Amino acid sequence: EAGVVQSPRYKIIEKKQPVAFWCNPISGHNTLYWYLQNLGQGPELLIRYENEEAVDDSQLPKDRFSAERLKGVDSTLKIQPAELGDSAVYLCASSLGVAETDTQYFGPGTRLTVL
Amino acid sequence: DAKTTQPPSMDCAEGRAANLPCNHSTISGNEYVYWYRQIHSQGPQYIIHGLKNNETNEMASLIITEDRKSSTLILPHATLRDTAVYYCIVRPRGGGATNKLIFGTGTLLAVQP
Repeated sequence: EAGVVQSPRYKIIEKKQPVAFWCNPISGHNTLYWYLQNLGQGPELLIRYENEEAVDDSQLPKDRFSAERLKGVDSTLKIQPAELGDSAVYLCASSLGVAETDTQYFGPGTRLTVL
Repeated sequence: DAKTTQPPSMDCAEGRAANLPCNHSTISGNEYVYWYRQIHSQGPQYIIHGLKNNETNEMASLIITEDRKSSTLILPHATLRDTAVYYCIVRPRGGGATNKLIFGTGTLLAVQP
């Protein structure tokens, strides 16, 4: 069974440019998460989707970050414009649902470098 | 904020048992202890979780003290591929909005040949 797929794996852009990350969750997983991981830190939740609805986006900086999950499958996370401090790894995870025993499975992440 | 305390790093000899401690002194009765690990350049990987009883699966064993204020993850025969950052996470029971993982900085386990 394929795991969570993310692309690109690496991205280098100049500040003020836009950037987008794509995530394909495990087939059948209704819940999708985007996490941000700074160097030397654990991942932090940015947004959680249940199907196509964003149900927890309290940590998403909405002035420059946006996300969508059309049709409740793939998801895209966008930053516009990017700032130097956005350099980090962006992780996508999915789970069957949000039941007590549902495990989150993570993708390999996209490493963003903003110059 | 993370509700757990872990040593920043540990070493272990290949083939020996790795015992990773975690302190969660403020844990409540309706909170699980979860363990994830993150190998370099990969996303976190689920290992095991428990509520109050000790648990074992094909990857590891989880020993939770009787007062539930601390736990130990045991990798019985560590290999070089077990070198990773190990995260201990306290997560509330129940689904819905509580299905959120709050990571700390974890323990970097270095398995030495």
